[in-house]
This record gives sequence, C-alpha cells and structure tokens, in this order.
Amino acid sequence: KAGVTQTPRYLIKTRGQQVTLSCSPISGHRSVSWYQQTPGQGLQFLFEYFSETQRNKGNFPGRFSGRQFSNSRSEMNVSTLELGDSALYLCASSLGPASTDTQYFGPGTRLTVL
Amino acid sequence: QQPVQSPQAVILREGEDAVINCSSSKALYSVHWYRQKHGEAPVFLMILLKGGEQKGHEKISASFNEKKQQSSLYLTASQLSYSGTYFCGTEGGSQGNLIFGKGTKLSVKP
Repeated sequence: KAGVTQTPRYLIKTRGQQVTLSCSPISGHRSVSWYQQTPGQGLQFLFEYFSETQRNKGNFPGRFSGRQFSNSRSEMNVSTLELGDSALYLCASSLGPASTDTQYFGPGTRLTVL
Repeated sequence: QQPVQSPQAVILREGEDAVINCSSSKALYSVHWYRQKHGEAPVFLMILLKGGEQKGHEKISASFNEKKQQSSLYLTASQLSYSGTYFCGTEGGSQGNLIFGKGTKLSVKP
C-alpha cells in the first residue's frame, strides 16, 4: 500500500509570494490533516479535512487555507508569504477522524521563504 | 491549549528504562503518541482513549489518567532504535483536533 505523498518536497519562495502544497493520502483514507513544524515548536495543527469538509482549523491567520477534493487529495495554500512561514509542512491521513484514528504522516514539504 | 511534555530531553544507555510524561490543563478525550526520527516523518505509536481503550504497538506501553489529564509513555529495555523525538497529541473532545506538545528528545547510547 502506497504511503502518504507530498509534493513538492522542497520549495524556495520570496516574501509576498503565494504557494500551494499538495498531499495525496493513503488510498481509502478520508481524513487529511496539515501541520506546521518548526524547531522548538513541535507540530502545530493547521486544519483537518474529512470527506471534503473542513472539520477543524488551528490558530493560524487567514493567509493559510486548504481544501480537499473528492478523491481525498488535499492542497494547502499560503498567500502573502512571510519569513516566519519557513517551516516543514506535514500532512497526515487517517481512515476516520484524526482525533480517534491512527495518522500516517507524509515526508513533508520544506518551505523556505527568503 | 498545548500539552506540556517532560522531560524535554533524556539520554539513556541501551537497556535502560525511560518515562515520558504529557500533561494537559483541560479534560482530555484522547492522547496520541508519535515518534519522529531526525529527517523523517512522525510515526504512530499509540492512541489512548477516554474509557480505557488503547490502540497501538504491542511493545509500547502507556497510561492515561483521565482525572489528572496526564499520560505517560513507558520505554523499557531501550534500544538504539528508540532514539528520536517523542510527541504527545491531546484532544479535548470527540470532534476536536489534535494539539501536539513540543516533544521529548530521547537519545539512546551504546
């Protein structure tokens, strides 16, 4: 069974630009969650999508948005990039809601904002 | 609210035991444990649900004290492969999202 895939793996952008990250969950998984990971801050929850509906949203500004398609693939978008957005962005998929089910993480997208 | 993990870091010799704690200031519905090795994605270890249900690896042991809003992960007879950063994630309601702690870095030396 293929794991969670994320594209691209690395991105370099400049301040003010926007970026779209993609996540393909494990086949059959309906939930996709996104996390931002920075040194010393651990994993910070961005949002969770379940069956194309945003189930939960973390405490991030409106510049961070996401969506999920009918095939469960998910994208997240960050507009007007800031230096502080540099981080590893991880997505995780699970069969059911992330709160009660095992999450399988992808390798992440390393975003660098210059 | 972000759970607090302790200790922040621990160094062990192979064969030694360790306990990693996770505390929350609010009532918990579930606690999740993940391990992340350097440069890799986090990997699932265990879920502990309110009411006593557990899902996880047979070799991993953990406890969930609902009244104290705490969970502990027990690593016995540690091996070099146990090295990594351990994260606990807590969730305060069946419809809520997971909030992860800042992690505990575990290093096992030969």
